Amino acid sequence: GQNIDQPTEMTATEGAIVQINCTYQTSGFNGLFWYQQHAGEAPTFLSYNVLDGLEEKGRFSSFLSRSKGYSYLLLKELQMKDSASYLCAAWDSNYQLIWGAGTKLIIKP
Amino acid sequence: DTAVSQTPKYLVTQMGNDKSIKCEQNLGHDTMYWYKQDSKKFLKIMFSYNNKELIINETVPNRFSPKSPDKAHLNLHINSLELGDSAVYFCASSQGAGGPGETQYFGPGTRLLVL
Repeated sequence: GQNIDQPTEMTATEGAIVQINCTYQTSGFNGLFWYQQHAGEAPTFLSYNVLDGLEEKGRFSSFLSRSKGYSYLLLKELQMKDSASYLCAAWDSNYQLIWGAGTKLIIKP
Repeated sequence: DTAVSQTPKYLVTQMGNDKSIKCEQNLGHDTMYWYKQDSKKFLKIMFSYNNKELIINETVPNRFSPKSPDKAHLNLHINSLELGDSAVYFCASSQGAGGPGETQYFGPGTRLLVL
């Protein structure tokens, strides 16, 4: 079956760095999204990776390894407003987007 | 200048009732989606429409019927509501035909509670 695995919850300190991992098993692969979802709000787009390597966007970076079925989202210089759920989603070969349950990130002062 | 809007934001109703949720996007996108997010936070695709035509219809009960009067609107009608339908329903849109790499833009969600 198709599956996306992410840790359920992580805690980090304001100003620190945190890495949120995602592993995927899909029938075929056509790229991977990371979305941020604050409690009670809509998911918002963070990044898209389709080739191996690291994509950097300000304080957020996303990495992909297609051979390992693995991605991570790296958040630097954490701010309190980064407290949210981070959703990983992978495109399969049928062009369907398979979503993980999200990782709830708690930032402590 | 809301990009993807949904109404209502909250919906509390009794089992057995019929209800509709409306969605509109002003981004000029060609594809629109309905997702269900349950208490475990999984987002599950229900339907997607490209230029008013159904392109994805996942295994959902036929009590759920989408309607797209034009490419800017995708409404969701639910008949004979059940307790298990309680969830947050998100509408989303994307620019092209709904293929890989297209960013999906989400509406604020409709919180449905069936009593």
